[in-house]
Amino acid sequence: KNEVEQSPQNLTAQEGEFITINCSYSVGISALHWLQQHPGGGIVSLFMLSSGKKKHGRLIATINIQEKHSSLHITASHPRDSAVYICAVSRDEKLTFGTGTRLTIIP
Amino acid sequence: EAQVTQNPRYLITVTGKKLTVTCSQNMNHEYMSWYRQDPGLGLRQIYYSMNVEVTDKGDVPEGYKVSRKEKRNFPLILESPSPNQTSLYFCASSGRPRGVWSPLHFGNGTRLTVT
Repeated sequence: KNEVEQSPQNLTAQEGEFITINCSYSVGISALHWLQQHPGGGIVSLFMLSSGKKKHGRLIATINIQEKHSSLHITASHPRDSAVYICAVSRDEKLTFGTGTRLTIIP
Repeated sequence: EAQVTQNPRYLITVTGKKLTVTCSQNMNHEYMSWYRQDPGLGLRQIYYSMNVEVTDKGDVPEGYKVSRKEKRNFPLILESPSPNQTSLYFCASSGRPRGVWSPLHFGNGTRLTVT
């Protein structure tokens, strides 16, 4: 079993829908990162969390340390949100990644 | 502009021919690391460095070397590349002030093909 599991693997939605991507992990962590990778490959950090909730524009990330679970929400989704979203956990100096969720938003 | 610069973007080479992928950051970050990304496997950590002259293995270090002689540079060296090292490689850095994680900054990636 992978240390970091993401669901769903693929998600297709209509423009304007509320999106939720989930990340579960099985080890103690010092931080959790949500990353975005657009076609063409570049990776951008969206959030870094060690507790609670963060919001940036239409994106919200939450983490529940006791349940070892994090969610990334996108409100009022737009075609430009189409990308692969990757969850990563840091333990000491090491990073372990989920395999990503491919999100496609249809106009 | 704060950035992580990786070169080259694309590299095609033959088995056994030594190569170096460069990574440089201009943010005075202590932490730098290398990852490879393969379909179905996601990103996996190759090596990381906490500071100058301090490096350690990640999950898939076999066949790779790194060095950290200066804070800004963290090159990835493949002394004898093999076809199973064909992959998309990313370098990243993070501030890690007082050991606390800060957001990761990634380079644009290097697509390596070994024939």
